[in-house]
Amino acid sequence: NAGVTQTPKFQVLKTGQSMTLQCAQDMNHEYMSWYRQDPGMGLRLIHYSVGAGITDQGEVPNGYNVSRSTTEDFPLRLLSAAPSQTSVYFCASSHRTGRNYGYTFGSGTRLTVV
Amino acid sequence: LAKTTQPISMDSYEGQEVNITCSHNNIATNDYITWYQQFPSQGPRFIIQGYKTKVTNEVASLFIPADRKSSTLSLPRVSLSDTAVYYCLVGDGGSARQLTFGSGTQLTVLP
Repeated sequence: NAGVTQTPKFQVLKTGQSMTLQCAQDMNHEYMSWYRQDPGMGLRLIHYSVGAGITDQGEVPNGYNVSRSTTEDFPLRLLSAAPSQTSVYFCASSHRTGRNYGYTFGSGTRLTVV
Repeated sequence: LAKTTQPISMDSYEGQEVNITCSHNNIATNDYITWYQQFPSQGPRFIIQGYKTKVTNEVASLFIPADRKSSTLSLPRVSLSDTAVYYCLVGDGGSARQLTFGSGTQLTVLP
């Protein structure tokens, strides 16, 4: 089925380790974004991209890097994991306008940093 | 980005109509109003989007008054499976920075 695919679904990291959360979409969407959701809270924007080769920071970018080499993929890199990065991470994508169909979200990656 | 205010929680019974109101006093001319639904351990799911007056789809209706400073999501005849968090978002649909999520409204449908 078409949609946004995130891998892995679960991950446990030790403090200081690095890793990459993968996100891929097959809907030819221009916009892609990464969010984190902490327990009982709404989603907060980490980084976003309006097209291949173009990325920008969101509300909480510190400790994360992104790149967008293709339309389909938008990986999120944790440079040196910290317990404060324990969260659920969601990737989302949308057509440029996003006015009629909104954003499509992946199923999330649950990350625990110990 | 326009800030939104929603009730933190609502309870309803199966079969009833549920109306969730969102306040967005600083909505801009180019802003659209979008509602998302989120179940536990899942990503948000787009429900409905509108600019003014009324929009209806197979899932819900969205009512927007003329001044656009608020909007109401209406869910007809809710079932237990409608128990979820509902988010109201306001922004220019053409901007990747549109999605600023508040705390949402936890809707609990009781049998």
